[in-house]
Amino acid sequence: DAGVTQSPTHLIKTRGQQVTLRCSPKSGHDTVSWYQQALGQGPQFIFQYYEEEERQRGNFPDRFSGHQFPNYSSELNVNALLLGDSALYLCASSLRGFNEKLFFGSGTQLSVL
Amino acid sequence: AQSVTQLDSHVSVSEGTPVLLRCNYSSSYSPSLFWYVQHPNKGLQLLLKYTSAATLVKGINGFEAEFKKSETSFHLTKPSAHMSDAAEYFCVVSDLAGGFKTIFGAGTRLFVKA
Repeated sequence: DAGVTQSPTHLIKTRGQQVTLRCSPKSGHDTVSWYQQALGQGPQFIFQYYEEEERQRGNFPDRFSGHQFPNYSSELNVNALLLGDSALYLCASSLRGFNEKLFFGSGTQLSVL
Repeated sequence: AQSVTQLDSHVSVSEGTPVLLRCNYSSSYSPSLFWYVQHPNKGLQLLLKYTSAATLVKGINGFEAEFKKSETSFHLTKPSAHMSDAAEYFCVVSDLAGGFKTIFGAGTRLFVKA
C-alpha cells in the first residue's frame, strides 16, 4: 500500500517563474492538504481539497493555487515565484479531512534563486 | 482564533531520562489536538490525537499527552528517552471555529544524549 507520494523531490527555479508540484494521496484517501514549511519553522497550511474543490484556505496569496483530480491526486501551482517561496512543500492526505489523521509525504524542496 | 505555542524551541535530555515537551493552545471551541514527529529527511508522522475522549492520550513509541482544559495545555511526555526519539516535534490544533484548519506550532527539537 503506497503512502503519500510527492514529485519532484527537489526543484530549483528563478524569480518570476511558475512551478507545479504534484501529490498522490494514500490509497483510499479523498482529501489532500498542502503545507509550506520554511527552514526552522512549523508547516503552514496553504489549502485543502476535497471532492475536487478547495474547501479551506490559509493566509496565502492568490499566486498559490491548486487542483484536485477525480482520482484524488492534487497539484499545487505557484506563480510569479519570489525568493521567500523557497521552502519544503508538504502534501498530506486524509479521509474526509476534518480532524482526521494526516498522512504526509516526504515533500518537495523548492529553491527560488 | 486558534493558535498553538510550543514553549521550548529545543529540549535536551539524556538517554533513559523522562521527556517533557510543552504545548499551550488557544481555541474558541472544543479543539482537536495532535502531536506529530518529523525525523530528519522523513515525512511527518502522527504520534497521538486528542478529540474530547479521555484526557490522557497514549500514542506510539511510548509517548503520551495529557489534555488540561483549565491550563489550555497539551504537553507530550515519555518516561524514558531513547536515542531514536531525537527529532522535531510539532503540536497541532484544529477546531470548528477555524474551519478545522490544522495549525502547527513552531516545533521543538529534541536532542537525546548518550
